[in-house]
Amino acid sequence: DAGVIQSPRHEVTEMGQEVTLRCKPISGHNSLFWYRQTMMRGLELLIYFNNNVPIDDSGMPEDRFSAKMPNASFSTLKIQPSEPRDSAVYFCASSLAGATGELFFGEGSRLTVL
Amino acid sequence: KQEVTQIPAALSVPEGENLVLNCSFTDSAIYNLQWFRQDPGKGLTSLLLIQSSQREQTSGRLNASLDKSSGRSTLYIAASQPGDSATYLCAVYPGANNLFFGTGTRLTVIP
Repeated sequence: DAGVIQSPRHEVTEMGQEVTLRCKPISGHNSLFWYRQTMMRGLELLIYFNNNVPIDDSGMPEDRFSAKMPNASFSTLKIQPSEPRDSAVYFCASSLAGATGELFFGEGSRLTVL
Repeated sequence: KQEVTQIPAALSVPEGENLVLNCSFTDSAIYNLQWFRQDPGKGLTSLLLIQSSQREQTSGRLNASLDKSSGRSTLYIAASQPGDSATYLCAVYPGANNLFFGTGTRLTVIP
């Protein structure tokens, strides 16, 4: 299996622009997580989907962030408008059994907002 | 709220040494604990997952132990190699679909 695939790997944008990050989970996994990693705060859960349904989005910072999972093989995380404080590495992870099972992470999308 | 601590933040050892990484958590009501490895600029790779009913798990040169009552886990790496250099993170799952991650220990194995 190719593992969890994220795109783009790097994104540099200007404040106020829309950013869309993409994730393809491992085939057959029914759970998908979006995390954000910064030096100051470490890894933070943004949102968790189970069977394509958002279960917990309490970690989404504010209304500028939105996430969708239109089918079992694709998810997006959108930031509109972006701000410099959104600069971070965004990880997507998938698993067979929510957080009770082993999580498989993608290689991340490094976002820089100027 | 569950808090996960990893000490030390960084560790350097000469190649061939055995070493122990520590993870402590404040709430012992957990379902499982996972150890991950993160290489620079890369994602996290799961190394070992210990269920709450287990006391340890082994994979190759790695052995992870779990003591729920004391809120502690250790990751033992035998015969360390330069390729083991990475940041090691532990994460606990207390339920409610979230993992709580420690801030990691950055390991450097010196050839």
